[in-house]
Amino acid sequence: DAGVTQSPTHLIKTRGQQVTLRCSPISGHKSVSWYQQVLGQGPQFIFQYYEKEERGRGNFPDRFSARQFPNYSSELNVNALLLGDSALYLCASSDRGNQPQHFGDGTRLSIL
Amino acid sequence: EDQVTQSPEALRLQEGESSSLNCSYTVSGLRGLFWYRQDPGKGPEFLFTLYSAGEEKEKERLKATLTKKESFLHITAPKPEDSATYLCAVQPGSSNTGKLIFGQGTTLQVKP
Repeated sequence: DAGVTQSPTHLIKTRGQQVTLRCSPISGHKSVSWYQQVLGQGPQFIFQYYEKEERGRGNFPDRFSARQFPNYSSELNVNALLLGDSALYLCASSDRGNQPQHFGDGTRLSIL
Repeated sequence: EDQVTQSPEALRLQEGESSSLNCSYTVSGLRGLFWYRQDPGKGPEFLFTLYSAGEEKEKERLKATLTKKESFLHITAPKPEDSATYLCAVQPGSSNTGKLIFGQGTTLQVKP
């Protein structure tokens, strides 16, 4: 069975640009969460979506937004990129509630 | 404030030398505690979920235990392929979201 897939795997942008990251959850999973992982730290929660509704938001600025589509795939958008946005962006899917979240291999975003 | 602290930050073991990794947490209610393994350039790989104090889970050379304040990941007779960063995460019971709060991880190196 296919796991969580994310695209692209790597991305290089410059300050002020906008970026869209994509995630396809494990088949049958209705919940998608996004995390930001800076080198040497644990992942930090950005958003959770369940059944196309936003269920939670972490401590990130409004430049970060996301959405979930009817097929449960998801996009994370980041506007007005800053150098500090350079990180590994991880997507995780789960069946529901407190079930384990399964992660993709992430999108490595570098801001020049 | 919900918080997760892992120790040590780094651990070097000889092949076959057993040890334990610690995850201390403060959280407003606990829906679940999760252990993940992360290899360089990859997303976190799910290992275990623990839901209540006293619970234990085992998988090959790994055993996870849970008390009301901390969790341990015991590694018995490790092999070089066990080298990775091990992440601990908690899901607060106070939140209706699937938000995970991660520690900073323990980087394990097992030498042959």
